[in-house]
Amino acid sequence: EAGVAQSPRYKIIEKRQSVAFWCNPISGHATLYWYQQILGQGPKLLIQFQNNGVVDDSQLPKDRFSAERLKGVDSTLKIQPAKLEDSAVYLCASSLSFGREQPQHFGDGTRLSIL
Amino acid sequence: GESVGLHLPTLSVQEGDNSIINCAYSNSASDYFIWYKQESGKGPQFIIDIRSNMDKRQGQRVTVLLNKTVKHLSLQIAATQPGDSAVYFCAENETGGFKTIFGAGTRLFVKA
Repeated sequence: EAGVAQSPRYKIIEKRQSVAFWCNPISGHATLYWYQQILGQGPKLLIQFQNNGVVDDSQLPKDRFSAERLKGVDSTLKIQPAKLEDSAVYLCASSLSFGREQPQHFGDGTRLSIL
Repeated sequence: GESVGLHLPTLSVQEGDNSIINCAYSNSASDYFIWYKQESGKGPQFIIDIRSNMDKRQGQRVTVLLNKTVKHLSLQIAATQPGDSAVYFCAENETGGFKTIFGAGTRLFVKA
């Protein structure tokens, strides 16, 4: 089966600019996650969707980050405006259904550099 | 807040030897644990999981041990191969929780 697809793979922007990331989960996977992974750290959950509804966005900086999953398939994560501290790899993951013991399948991420 | 952490940031082993990667957690409410492998430029890959009602679980060349008394888990890799070189993360979920919390990771180097 095809894995989780993410684009772009790399993005370089200046601070205060806007950026968007796209994720296409594994076909049929109802749950989608966005993680932020700062260099040298483990991934940190930003937002979790079940179909097109938000399950958890408690760690999403809502003043600058937004995410949507229209139609319950693809998802986009946006940052506006970007700060230097947003430099990280943004990982998307999906799982077949909602449940803590459902294995999460990760994409290879988008590496964001803020100048 | 409480989080999952690791004892050693890097581990270097000889090809063919066994590897042991350790992880300490502090959240006593954690009852489900997962090990992930992350190769350079890739996303994390699920390796093995364990519930808190178990002490040990085995997979293909990997074994996870859980000691709830001291809040410690380990990942053992048998006959380590060059392809095992990666960063390994332990992660946890607390009882009734659906958020996976990752530790900082241990980098494993396999010397040929």
